[in-house]
Amino acid sequence: KQEVTQIPAALRVPEGENLVLNCSFTDSAIYNLQWFRQDPGKGLTSLLLIQSSQREQTSGRLNASLDKSSGRSTLYIAASQPGDSATYLCAVRADTGFQKLVFGTGTRLLVSP
Amino acid sequence: NAGVTQTPKFRVLKTGQSMTLLCAQDMNHEYMYWYRQDPGMGLRLIHYSVGEGTTAKGEVPDGYNVSRLKKQNFLLGLESAAPSQTSVYFCASSYVQNAIQETQYFGPGTRLLVL
Repeated sequence: KQEVTQIPAALRVPEGENLVLNCSFTDSAIYNLQWFRQDPGKGLTSLLLIQSSQREQTSGRLNASLDKSSGRSTLYIAASQPGDSATYLCAVRADTGFQKLVFGTGTRLLVSP
Repeated sequence: NAGVTQTPKFRVLKTGQSMTLLCAQDMNHEYMYWYRQDPGMGLRLIHYSVGEGTTAKGEVPDGYNVSRLKKQNFLLGLESAAPSQTSVYFCASSYVQNAIQETQYFGPGTRLLVL
C-alpha cells in the first residue's frame, strides 16, 4: 500500500528565505506526483505536476524535483513571501488500476514578515 | 466559469440524521471524486465516478452513498450520520486524456460537524 510522508509537519521561516519541503513515498510505481497548496478553510490548488519520466518542474519561484527510484520529491520555494503561508500537500498517482491520488498529510508553512 | 462548487459550506447534524452534499462542476469533466480530510490523516478518497451514471468505492466508503445522475453533479449522502463522520469534505473533478486522469480541480470544501 502506497504511503506518502511529508516532513516537517510545520515550518516557520522569515520572509526572503529559501526553503525546501520534503515528500517521500513507499512505492516507486507512480505515474506522476503533484504538489498542492491549501489555504485555511479553502480547497486545494495544484501547483506543479511532475510526470514519472521527469526530474523536475518549475513555475515562478517554485521548483519541484522527483527521484522516483528513491521515493522522494522536494518542493523548493525561493525568496519566500508572507503570501506563501499555507499548507503544502504532495500526492502521488499510481500507474496501475484506477490511478487514484494518495496524499501526504502536508507541511504547514508560515512565512513571517 | 465557477469551477467546482460545493453546497453547503458548513452543516451541523445530530447523530442519526441524514443529509446530502452537492458538488457541481462546469468544466465538462468526466471524473469526479469525494474526499474527506481529517487532522493528521491527509485526504482520503470516499467514492468516485468515471462518468454520468457510474460510481465506485474509494478507500473509506462505509456510511456514505453517492449518485451521478448528471455529468456536472456528484452527490454525497449520509443516511445516518455518526460522530466519526465529522470532517471536511472535498469534491474534485478531472478530465481524462488518453485514458489518463489529469490534474484534479478541488471545490472549497464542506465542514460537517456531527454531534
